[in-house]
Amino acid sequence: NAGVMQNPRHLVRRRGQEARLRCSPMKGHSHVYWYRQLPEEGLKFMVYLQKENIIDESGMPKERFSAEFPKEGPSILRIQQVVRGDSAAYFCASSLRTGRDEKLFFGSGTQLSVL
Amino acid sequence: KNEVEQSPQNLTAQEGEFITINCSYSVGISALHWLQQHPGGGIVSLFMLSSGKKKHGRLIATINIQEKHSSLHITASHPRDSAVYICAASGGGADGLTFGKGTHLIIQP
Repeated sequence: NAGVMQNPRHLVRRRGQEARLRCSPMKGHSHVYWYRQLPEEGLKFMVYLQKENIIDESGMPKERFSAEFPKEGPSILRIQQVVRGDSAAYFCASSLRTGRDEKLFFGSGTQLSVL
Repeated sequence: KNEVEQSPQNLTAQEGEFITINCSYSVGISALHWLQQHPGGGIVSLFMLSSGKKKHGRLIATINIQEKHSSLHITASHPRDSAVYICAASGGGADGLTFGKGTHLIIQP
């Protein structure tokens, strides 16, 4: 039973390019969360998705960032026209259900470096 | 908006010592998570609790809902416990966590 899989593990982009980060949740999990960890800062919530729906995107910048979790395939976090300030570790987590008793399972993260 | 504060920020101890990491939050929550992040970045969920106390091996987590405070204890600490320990507060539903900045723990042999 594979855990949460994120790829790529490391992603290097030049300013202005697009970055696509993928997250495959644990088998059977239909809830996905994306978090960003800036250097020397704590984790920050970005977006919460269920299959085909964005439930809460209050932590995601309004411009250049988007997320999806299609019916088939992984969840994608997309950053358009990347800037140096986007350099960070991006983690996703999944859970079986929502609610107070649900444990989150984290992926190993994608380290995005913008040159 | 919930504010989550952890203390200490950094902690260095000798192998075998009893370790306590504290977490306080400002707004009532539905659950409190303790996470462990090793060098290299991977995050493991250690505990999720909404009341009382949970134990797993040498790790113990407690929460006091009235005081809005949680503690993570490590008994008989070992160098492999060296990591960043993060607490995170969950509001109603699971629509995002508010994280503390983490406690960087180093256990020296």
